[in-house]
Amino acid sequence: NAGVTQTPKFQVLKTGQSMTLQCAQDMNHNSMYWYRQDPGMGLRLIYYSASEGTTDKGEVPNGYNVSRLNKREFSLRLESAAPSQTSVYFCASSPRTGSGELFFGEGSRLTVL
Amino acid sequence: GENVEQHPSTLSVQEGDSAVIKCTYSDSASNYFPWYKQELGKGPQLIIDIRSNVGEKKDQRIAVTLNKTAKHFSLHITETQPEDSAVYFCAANNNNDMRFGAGTRLTVKP
Repeated sequence: NAGVTQTPKFQVLKTGQSMTLQCAQDMNHNSMYWYRQDPGMGLRLIYYSASEGTTDKGEVPNGYNVSRLNKREFSLRLESAAPSQTSVYFCASSPRTGSGELFFGEGSRLTVL
Repeated sequence: GENVEQHPSTLSVQEGDSAVIKCTYSDSASNYFPWYKQELGKGPQLIIDIRSNVGEKKDQRIAVTLNKTAKHFSLHITETQPEDSAVYFCAANNNNDMRFGAGTRLTVKP
């Protein structure tokens, strides 16, 4: 019962480097999401994909790109990392768009020096 | 967009006491209000939710109340146990726009 799996769990980057966070879900959910979590700010939506083949911006999309590779996989890419992107990133999935119930992965802690 | 305020930011209670966490939201179109529990090193996990056509919902020791007129909703945990210690997040959802509160760190002292 894997649920939502994120890789890597930890990553340290230098300013300007690029990287991709991977996310896969095995629950046959249609919708997938990327959030970032910063102290005292809760969770903020970066991008989401309501269904395979579609992606939309969330509350804080600047500096990120996403790819919905297939129904299972949704990746988040930082093209040129900045210290402000130091955060914990969570991938989530949901059975239906707008249903609200989210299933989260365990998070990826990213530090940009 | 939606703005969700959550209070208190930290809460410490004695085992067996009740804990109450309150949230307010700004967008009257929001119609789904979930609560998530996050344990250390884990992702948030849904513990209870309420939709806008319901005023109260209970699940064993956990209850949520919603006042749509005042745009308030609250989480009530009764008979708290040490394993209830975690960070709790409220959220308000309007279609795909789900906004989270900043979180409440609950500590239950044995």
